[in-house]
Amino acid sequence: AQSVTQLDSQVPVFEEAPVELRCNYSSSVSVYLFWYVQYPNQGLQLLLKYLSGSTLVKGINGFEAEFNKSQTSFHLRKPSVHISDTAEYFCAVSIYPDKLIFGTGTRLQVFP
Amino acid sequence: DAGITQSPRHKVTETGTPVTLRCHQTENHRYMYWYRQDPGHGLRLIHYSYGVKDTDKGEVSDGYSVSRSKTEDFLLTLESATSSQTSVYFCAISRTGRETQYFGPGTRLLVL
Repeated sequence: AQSVTQLDSQVPVFEEAPVELRCNYSSSVSVYLFWYVQYPNQGLQLLLKYLSGSTLVKGINGFEAEFNKSQTSFHLRKPSVHISDTAEYFCAVSIYPDKLIFGTGTRLQVFP
Repeated sequence: DAGITQSPRHKVTETGTPVTLRCHQTENHRYMYWYRQDPGHGLRLIHYSYGVKDTDKGEVSDGYSVSRSKTEDFLLTLESATSSQTSVYFCAISRTGRETQYFGPGTRLLVL
């Protein structure tokens, strides 16, 4: 069965510091992987996705993620965070043919 | 932004009453999904639809039913609301099912 694990429920970081949000998945078949961001009292927005091709994926707001098949990971990174990046981030993996499984989320709190 | 609306945006109801939430899209996407979001659980799939009158259960479908009589509308009904169904409900749409899902703004439901 496919599953997604987000290893950190909360990540505190100071403004302008780098950040990495970790995501591991389990799957016996090829996968599509996604990161979504949820700002307070809003729906989820797509941050980036990996479908195929280059393992380094760039998304909106300066975020990027690297697909590592051998480690079954899809960690999200940003070299310098801003106060406005404070939000909850969800990793998701596709389940063939037509569903996604979401991780439990990581709350990123950026401090001035 | 994908054209997805949810109504109502907020609802307070009493235990035992039926409740219907509506999701409306203007994108003509084939797939529509209902999720609930609860602290510590991320997003969990309730039901989804892969076409008009074609629906299937997700991982937390007990106590919920859905209907889709036209492409643009997907209704979620709580047959007899319970306090455990207090949650934030999100609708999502997808063109192909396995790729990007686009989310609505959510409905906050409180069952007293």
